[in-house]
Amino acid sequence: AQSVAQPEDQVNVAEGNPLTVKCTYSVSGNPYLFWYVQYPNRGLQFLLKYITGDNLVKGSYGFEAEFNKSQTSFHLKKPSALVSDSALYFCAVRDAANQGGKLIFGQGTELSVKP
Amino acid sequence: DTEVTQTPKHLVMGMTNKKSLKCEQHMGHRAMYWYKQKAKKPPELMFVYSYEKLSINESVPSRFSPECPNSSLLNLHLHALQPEDSALYLCASSLGQAGNQPQHFGDGTRLSIL
Repeated sequence: AQSVAQPEDQVNVAEGNPLTVKCTYSVSGNPYLFWYVQYPNRGLQFLLKYITGDNLVKGSYGFEAEFNKSQTSFHLKKPSALVSDSALYFCAVRDAANQGGKLIFGQGTELSVKP
Repeated sequence: DTEVTQTPKHLVMGMTNKKSLKCEQHMGHRAMYWYKQKAKKPPELMFVYSYEKLSINESVPSRFSPECPNSSLLNLHLHALQPEDSALYLCASSLGQAGNQPQHFGDGTRLSIL
């Protein structure tokens, strides 16, 4: 069975500092991995995805994520956090062996960036 | 602005009412989705349409009835809802139902059941 874990309910960062939002996954085959961000009163916005190839994936708004197969992780990172990055972040996975299968979301991590 | 448009943005209805939620996209996507989201929780999949045919129904109660009139439109018909159905209802679309396609979400309809 597929699963995603986001071990931190909340991450607090000072503006200008680097940020990391953690995600680990479990699938039986190869993973397709996604990060989404949700601002208050908005839907989910797609940030980036890992399908295959380079383990470092770059996405929108200066975010990047590193795929680590041995640790089954896909942590989201940004070198310098902005107050406007404060939002709810979801990691999601699909099993490449189950093409029509549903997207499995983690429980979400609330990121708070203080000035 | 999102490319998936949902109307209305807010809806308040009684338990005996009938209403519909609408979703529209013009990105040429052939897969469309309905999700239910409670506050600060991940979205829960309800239905998936692929090429205008119902592909996945996640055992959703019959008081929710989806409809896909054409490749750009997705409706969710509501009837005799319960207070626990109050939530944010999100529509999403993707190029296809293939696993490597990201889903693009609308801003949702916030539904309150009195």
